Amino acid sequence: DQQVKQNSPSLSVQEGRISILNCDYTNSMFDYFLWYKKYPAEGPTFLISISSIKDKNEDGRFTVFLNKSAKHLSLHIVPSQPGDSAVYFCAAGSNTDKLIFGTGTRLQVFP
Amino acid sequence: GAGVSQSPSNKVTEKGKDVELRCDPISGHTALYWYRQRLGQGLEFLIYFQGNSAPDKSGLPSDRFSAERTGESVSTLTIQRTQQEDSAVYLCASTLWGTEAFFGQGTRLTVV
Repeated sequence: DQQVKQNSPSLSVQEGRISILNCDYTNSMFDYFLWYKKYPAEGPTFLISISSIKDKNEDGRFTVFLNKSAKHLSLHIVPSQPGDSAVYFCAAGSNTDKLIFGTGTRLQVFP
Repeated sequence: GAGVSQSPSNKVTEKGKDVELRCDPISGHTALYWYRQRLGQGLEFLIYFQGNSAPDKSGLPSDRFSAERTGESVSTLTIQRTQQEDSAVYLCASTLWGTEAFFGQGTRLTVV
């Protein structure tokens, strides 16, 4: 049973436009959510997080939105840059259990 | 060190041999995870250690896989009688309770 799902395995966006990566979850007990970025041959690196008590968190070009009623979160990158090309993982956790990761979305930003 | 350290970075082993992978977490982090990523696949959860609680082993794919952690320090992941399908990048992450996890660079295991 996949508790955290990223239904789009890949996304291609033109440089300068907005990239929107989506993530759905099933467990209403999750109380924080995170996005990670992974380049080839490197470990994932933490990008941005959001607590379940918020619906938006912004850090520079990256904004995460949380819709608890829909059990959906999204990561917006604007403007997208070629260096953003990577695999993005969403993850969800609670204070009583382990982090659960999605399967990832490969983002390609082309000139 | 400042980050999560994994060793070796690369390991090539013959089918049927045992391998041991090591993870040095960030000092003070109470939780430690092992994941693996096969080529073209997502992150596959293997095992989770949290403080002195019994580890969550629900992700271990077979009894050939085992992991240990002494207190809040080093962890080792052991794969016995390796098979070709064990070839993957094995990632370790550590975290404080309820915060983001920090990953190591991974160990690329190739079983030939």
